[in-house]
Amino acid sequence: EAQVTQNPRYLITVTGKKLTVTCSQNMNHEYMSWYRQDPGLGLRQIYYSMNVEVTDKGDVPEGYKVSRKEKRNFPLILESPSPNQTSLYFCASSLSAGEQETQYFGPGTRLLVL
Amino acid sequence: QKEVEQDPGPLSVPEGAIVSLNCTYSNSAFQYFMWYRQYSRKGPELLMYTYSSGNKEDGRFTAQVDKSSKYISLFIRDSQPSDSATYLCAIDSSASKIIFGSGTRLSIRP
Repeated sequence: EAQVTQNPRYLITVTGKKLTVTCSQNMNHEYMSWYRQDPGLGLRQIYYSMNVEVTDKGDVPEGYKVSRKEKRNFPLILESPSPNQTSLYFCASSLSAGEQETQYFGPGTRLLVL
Repeated sequence: QKEVEQDPGPLSVPEGAIVSLNCTYSNSAFQYFMWYRQYSRKGPELLMYTYSSGNKEDGRFTAQVDKSSKYISLFIRDSQPSDSATYLCAIDSSASKIIFGSGTRLSIRP
């Protein structure tokens, strides 16, 4: 089954404690991205990756890092989480950047930073 | 001005009604338009993908783009309780960036 998986699904942490949210896809997609979803603001792109070892900032990259060492994985790293990073996070992938009609989203990770 | 504006609702209609969901956008250069459906506690799923102006139909769903007005719509015919979800409009603004509306929460009453 074609899917994007994220772990963990729910996370409560404290300010400053580094965390990583993993994202993996099984569709051999080149393009992957991370979004955060907040009430009234919709989905905002954090980072994206056109292919292995190619990443770039989206609209709200501050406080986040990513890496793309393998095609299937695109982890999101919060080096020093702060309460304003409390949000619902989604990973997504598509065949390529120009084929968004092939896009799949993961199930989401709900993060609470105290 | 936001690049994509969407009424957040909530919108509640009786089962069987025709639902109309709408968004406006600011940049007339946009060419690719999408609608996503998001059930509670799930990720968005792509519902409709359209290019330029005109209509696209898929079963009970019709996506409409009016580029002269910078207006996009999603119509749901014969609405069902299973259509209750948040609907997000989105614009593929470039090869690497999708701009999402804030979503409209829809509830279909049995």
